[in-house]
Amino acid sequence: DTAVSQTPKYLVTQMGNDKSIKCEQNLGHDTMYWYKQDSKKFLKIMFSYNNKELIINETVPNRFSPKSPDKAHLNLHINSLELGDSAVYFCASSSRGRGTYEQYFGPGTRLTVT
Amino acid sequence: DAKTTQPNSMESNEEEPVHLPCNHSTISGTDYIHWYRQLPSQGPEYVIHGLTSNVNNRMASLAIAEDRKSSTLILHRATLRDAAVYYCILQNSGGSNYKLTFGKGTLLTVNP
Repeated sequence: DTAVSQTPKYLVTQMGNDKSIKCEQNLGHDTMYWYKQDSKKFLKIMFSYNNKELIINETVPNRFSPKSPDKAHLNLHINSLELGDSAVYFCASSSRGRGTYEQYFGPGTRLTVT
Repeated sequence: DAKTTQPNSMESNEEEPVHLPCNHSTISGTDYIHWYRQLPSQGPEYVIHGLTSNVNNRMASLAIAEDRKSSTLILHRATLRDAAVYYCILQNSGGSNYKLTFGKGTLLTVNP
């Protein structure tokens, strides 16, 4: 049983297109995240939602818009794709409460913009 | 975010113990020490976390210095499957979010 799943696994598209990446978790977590890993392998947080509410919004171009239809899903829509958007995008989830909780990551979506 | 410092790379032999160091001299009292690893072409994977006391789980052990300014992830018997990038991350439990700030990590190579 996959805990955090992402679709598609690979996405190749041309500049200027609009694309979406979907993420689903079956762990019963209430917080979900999007991270971006660039070609230099640096992993950076982009967004986080808790119970469908946006709680983290790092400095990301507004061409990127997350949407959380429910606690188990967090999708990422990207408008007007640029070459620099090429990266691996990871979705993650965790519980949120007092203390600290581990995050569970999906397998990643490799986006290539040509 | 409090920063961590790790060696860029380390090498080990299969079935030998591995000690991965991490310095976090600016750690605050509410920062938990987390370790994640990323195997090739996979998403990061949680390994272990601790606050003040040493911690053990099925994957590894975490030894935390008494002043909490450094910690060591211990893999008791390295296998080829343990070859990965290991990230030491401080996560503030006092904040309203739980984002992880990844550094460069340590690339662990395991020799057969």
